[in-house]
Amino acid sequence: EIVLTQSPGTLSLSPGERATLSCRASQSVSSSYLAWYQQKPGQAPRLLIYGASSRATGIPDRFSGSGSGTDFTLTISRLEPEDFAVYYCQQYGSSPRVFTFGPGTKVDIK
Amino acid sequence: EVQLVESGGGLVQPGGSLRLSCAASGFTFSSYEMNWVRQAPGKGLEWVSYISSSGSTIYYADSVKGRFTISRDNAKNSLYLQMNSLRAEDTAVYYCARIAVAGTGWFDPWGQGTLVTVSS
Repeated sequence: EIVLTQSPGTLSLSPGERATLSCRASQSVSSSYLAWYQQKPGQAPRLLIYGASSRATGIPDRFSGSGSGTDFTLTISRLEPEDFAVYYCQQYGSSPRVFTFGPGTKVDIK
Repeated sequence: EVQLVESGGGLVQPGGSLRLSCAASGFTFSSYEMNWVRQAPGKGLEWVSYISSSGSTIYYADSVKGRFTISRDNAKNSLYLQMNSLRAEDTAVYYCARIAVAGTGWFDPWGQGTLVTVSS
């Protein structure tokens, strides 16, 4: 079973700053099988990035994903007020179909 | 507009049962794999169960295996989760989520969620 670890647990930044979020897998993950989600309080998660680096429909280009193997990164180039939220990475298997989320990184206002 | 709407949550005693529903609209439901994902209060996301587009292939997280049953009715554009032998640790918001592209594993969209509270 692949375990995902996210760091830091909380990231305190100011609007306009750059955010760098890390997701580490316990064993190698195909880049195609890594996604990132954003969740705001009281809302359902929203897909941001799939295939490690492809932005989902409607996602601003200040969000970018990178990485391979066991280390993946979500970068928010310049934080907007609406970006303060919790971010989860997720990986999945093709057979069996199992899905794993990381514990999340909270990006809050400094 | 692609939309998923969950219902059926509520308060249930430990050992009890509950059936969640997810109504899909705005897309060809029968062509998409579906999932249930839950989130305990103040906690992270936990995948619960997967069902293929035809319903022929099903997977569960170990935490719910033998107690929960996922199903779908493609004629009614609906997804279900039958939850039996409920425990306090099953208390969570339950989301249904579509797999965006067949054969992949990213979830898009998600429903708004339905809260299940297991307590005496």
